[in-house]
Amino acid sequence: DQQVKQNSPSLSVQEGRISILNCDYTNSMFDYFLWYKKYPAEGPTFLISISSIKDKNEDGRFTVFLNKSAKHLSLHIVPSQPGDSAVYFCAASRPGSGYALNFGKGTSLLVTP
Amino acid sequence: ETGVTQSPTHLIKTRGQQVTLRCSSQSGHNTVSWYQQALGQGPQFIFQYYREEENGRGNFPPRFSGLQFPNYSSELNVNALELDDSALYLCASSLPRNTGELFFGEGSRLTVL
Repeated sequence: DQQVKQNSPSLSVQEGRISILNCDYTNSMFDYFLWYKKYPAEGPTFLISISSIKDKNEDGRFTVFLNKSAKHLSLHIVPSQPGDSAVYFCAASRPGSGYALNFGKGTSLLVTP
Repeated sequence: ETGVTQSPTHLIKTRGQQVTLRCSSQSGHNTVSWYQQALGQGPQFIFQYYREEENGRGNFPPRFSGLQFPNYSSELNVNALELDDSALYLCASSLPRNTGELFFGEGSRLTVL
């Protein structure tokens, strides 16, 4: 049962434009959400997170938005750079199980020059 | 600061065999989690270890077992291998906080023939 869903397997964006990656979840018990980035032949690396008590968190070019009523979050990358080309995973956790992350299937982002 | 290292990076086994994968956690991290990432899927939580004890388990059968050692390194053991066990196995370590920010190794690619 996929509790975290990333419905877009891939996304292509021009350099300098905004990349928007979307994620939906079904479990209302999730209270912490994270985005990880993965390059080929490397493990996922933590990018940005947001607690359910917030609706926005910003870190440089990366902003995560959370809409709890819609059970939806999105990652915005502005401006997009070719080095951002990677697979992005959305993940969520429940209270008291912080290390047991539920991951989506990932979205492959390609930023073209 | 040494990151998370895993060994071996690739291995091939046949059905019914047993496999042991190893992980050295990042310095100062006392919690280790293991994830299975099948092709085209996101990582799935197998289990986590804290202070040498299993401290959470995902939906995996008992033939998946693990150990954590006093130096916080860890092993994942899989008995009676099945074809569907073919996947990338990711080890992640973390600080003793419950935020879900995991530090992943590059993974061990297991192929079961």
